[in-house]
Amino acid sequence: DSGVTQTPKHLITATGQRVTLRCSPRSGDLSVYWYQQSLDQGLQFLIQYYNGEERAKGNILERFSAQQFPDLHSELNLSSLELGDSALYFCASSPGEGQLSSGANVLTFGAGSRLTVL
Amino acid sequence: DAKTTQPTSMDCAEGRAANLPCNHSTISGNEYVYWYRQIHSQGPQYIIHGLKNNETNEMASLIITEDRKSSTLILPHATLRDTAVYYCIVPPLYSGGGADGLTFGKGTHLIIQP
Repeated sequence: DSGVTQTPKHLITATGQRVTLRCSPRSGDLSVYWYQQSLDQGLQFLIQYYNGEERAKGNILERFSAQQFPDLHSELNLSSLELGDSALYFCASSPGEGQLSSGANVLTFGAGSRLTVL
Repeated sequence: DAKTTQPTSMDCAEGRAANLPCNHSTISGNEYVYWYRQIHSQGPQYIIHGLKNNETNEMASLIITEDRKSSTLILPHATLRDTAVYYCIVPPLYSGGGADGLTFGKGTHLIIQP
């Protein structure tokens, strides 16, 4: 158990639908990251939140959105789902230290949420 | 992130040391080298990181060349459970709190042979 909790573990839905993936970071971590991993692609960084605020954006589609709540858990919302959105979605957390600190990029990943769009 | 180059795949016999190379010739003075691995369909796992000196922890050793243009991750006694994709990452430096999202390339697929 990495300390990062993701729910649900598996999700099957239909095209056009909307789903919400949830992530609870490791205790004490302020930063939360979302990644997508499709079968034919590597890990794609989607978005990062730090202490409730958006910190960095990657290859996140406009149909996707995320937020980090005051208790630091995060949700990734995926809407108007397409077949190509089928993927593993990973959440990661980190303490959120400054970039020049050793260990600033030590991320702890959750077990992932497997989304299947039919 | 500073560009890194890794072999696509490598084999290693069980019980032997696995040495995974990484080139990062454009690394700047204060950028760290990080290694992660991903066992099939599991979340990536942090292994080790370093700046200039060699580092060792319970999982692996990291050897960084003096000019910092390349590094080698060493798994001293590889087991079948070490079969995974290993990623060498050099994140860029930004000011402010929190690290930006890491960029995972294609990594090295290490296969431990029984």
